[in-house]
Amino acid sequence: AQSVTQPDIHITVSEGASLELRCNYSYGATPYLFWYVQSPGQGLQLLLKYFSGDTLVQGIKGFEAEFKRSQSSFNLRKPSVHWSDAAEYFCAVGLRSSGDKLTFGTGTRLAVRP
Amino acid sequence: EAQVTQNPRYLITVTGKKLTVTCSQNMNHEYMSWYRQDPGLGLRQIYYSMNVEVTDKGDVPEGYKVSRKEKRNFPLILESPSPNQTSLYFCASSLRGTVTYEQYFGPGTRLTVT
Repeated sequence: AQSVTQPDIHITVSEGASLELRCNYSYGATPYLFWYVQSPGQGLQLLLKYFSGDTLVQGIKGFEAEFKRSQSSFNLRKPSVHWSDAAEYFCAVGLRSSGDKLTFGTGTRLAVRP
Repeated sequence: EAQVTQNPRYLITVTGKKLTVTCSQNMNHEYMSWYRQDPGLGLRQIYYSMNVEVTDKGDVPEGYKVSRKEKRNFPLILESPSPNQTSLYFCASSLRGTVTYEQYFGPGTRLTVT
């Protein structure tokens, strides 16, 4: 069955430290890959997406993600975290052939230590 | 301003009392969708609509109804709410579909059924 896994439920990092949030998927083909952020009391906002081409993609707010086909992973990174990055982050995957439907991971809640 | 609006933002109701959560978008998007978000489960799609008068079930449609009489509106109806429908609900829209085109999310409706 198709699935997406975010193994870390909660992560706490210090402000200014680097960040990596993990996302693994299990699909029959390479899916389209997304990262969304949900700030407290807000809806989800798209950070970045990968469809094809360069495996390192840049997004908004200084985030980037790297697609690694051999590891079925699409990890989100930021070199220096700001207090405003505290939020919940969702990885999502989709296949055009699956009816153009996104499947979301269970989310990783990020806390930022001053 | 391009946006998806939902009303109400917060709702407490009792078992069996019919309710409607409204969703409206001003971007002339064809695709609209409802999700529910539960701790540890991420976002799960309830229903979606590819265009006016075209709706289909998502992953968790039981206990919900939708309609799409106008392009901009996509209300979610709970005809007989039960406590297991206590959740955070998001409406989303995109130009067409969810994989190729960016989804825009509303701010969410927190529903409590007692």
